[in-house]
Amino acid sequence: AQKVTQTQTSISVMEKTTVTMDCVYETQDSSYFLFWYKQTASGEIVFLIRQDSYKKENATVGHYSLNFQKPKSSIGLIITATQIEDSAVYFCAMREGMSNYNVLYFGSGTKLTVEP
Amino acid sequence: DPKIIQKPKYLVAVTGSEKILICEQYLGHNAMYWYRQSAKKPLEFMFSYSYQKLMDNQTASSRFQPQSSKKNHLDLQITALKPDDSATYFCASSPQNSDYTFGSGTRLLVI
Repeated sequence: AQKVTQTQTSISVMEKTTVTMDCVYETQDSSYFLFWYKQTASGEIVFLIRQDSYKKENATVGHYSLNFQKPKSSIGLIITATQIEDSAVYFCAMREGMSNYNVLYFGSGTKLTVEP
Repeated sequence: DPKIIQKPKYLVAVTGSEKILICEQYLGHNAMYWYRQSAKKPLEFMFSYSYQKLMDNQTASSRFQPQSSKKNHLDLQITALKPDDSATYFCASSPQNSDYTFGSGTRLLVI
């Protein structure tokens, strides 16, 4: 069964606007970690931001923020003031439990295009 | 300087042959992983290692064998290569309960 689902295949926005990318996850664990990664056109995969399940406050890093809705098993990524260089594929991911070798499950990705 | 080195960057192999994908990390992490990315299954987990021990294996085929000769190395040996093995293979590492750092990947084409 798919543990992490991203239903938006691609999104196109104008530069300097705000975009939200959706992600829902499935887990039976009481403790889990949620991540967003970005894959650039060169193929590089870069960590962006993280939300720990026990934290109520939404994480924010630079112009990235999260909309964590635990009852809905949802972790949306919000990018404000988008720039051309934000164009990339964005992956949502989840790790269950407290062990550091636990698997990081990825969604299928959302391709973001930021147009001038 | 890259913190995770994957070699080679590109690899073309003949069906039925054997190849080894190299991964070295210089981040001091004790956990290392292999992921495969193809058009069919984006970022699919293959193996996880912690302190050079296999922790999880979700690759069905025994043709894929990870090898850890040193604590900061996790190579991937693939035998009897098939065209379906064509993909980009990413190595990653992480400290305790933290995010992964990915290498730049090895793009494998099996002809």
